[in-house]
Amino acid sequence: DIVMTQSPDSLAVSLGERATINCKSSQSVLYSSNNKNYLAWYQQKPGQPPKLLISWASTRESGVPDRFSGSGSATDFTLTISSLQPEDVALYYCQQYYATPTTFGQGTKLESK
Amino acid sequence: EVQLVESGGGLVQPGRSLRLSCSASGFKFGDHALSWFRQAPGKGLQWLGFIRSKIYGGAPEYAASVRGRFTISRDDSKSIAYLQMNSLKSEDTAVYYCSRVSSVATDLFDYWGQGTLVTVSS
Repeated sequence: DIVMTQSPDSLAVSLGERATINCKSSQSVLYSSNNKNYLAWYQQKPGQPPKLLISWASTRESGVPDRFSGSGSATDFTLTISSLQPEDVALYYCQQYYATPTTFGQGTKLESK
Repeated sequence: EVQLVESGGGLVQPGRSLRLSCSASGFKFGDHALSWFRQAPGKGLQWLGFIRSKIYGGAPEYAASVRGRFTISRDDSKSIAYLQMNSLKSEDTAVYYCSRVSSVATDLFDYWGQGTLVTVSS
């Protein structure tokens, strides 16, 4: 199975400041035939299900604010929130969908400072 | 509006069985694979398995950790997916979620239900 490792486990950022979450996969999730990274980011608020934020490593889902951006390729990925808002306080997970079984990172808890 | 609603959770004794349901609306149910996940208290997300749409044969796939104990099925006429769980253990205690598999990629999950809590305890 592909192991996804996020860093840090928790992060405290001041409102309005940038937040950066990293995700590393144990093997490449870049599919060479279409040059797509099979990497997604989810947001989970307390008592709620996960919400898909970003797919293909950098494609925001409809309705996701543009302060959220994803980058990276192959084995190293980053989720960036350019200006933290109160509603962004949540757990964030990366997920690879390159291979079955799909696997998630352990999660990063984002708090406001 | 796409909606997924899980039901059937509750308190169950170790060794017993439980069947969860996932009722879907707001999209063409038969066109999508459906997946099940769980999240133990304070823990991360664990994929349990999925069931393909009938267009792709309708067969399920399971995580190794639950294969042989859990069964996923679907009734497209009712827009419901099921998770049958047998020989339950205390470590199966979790919130169970169903999700819709995106039409653009296998194992990409674009809508999730609110979850149903399963507690396995004597």
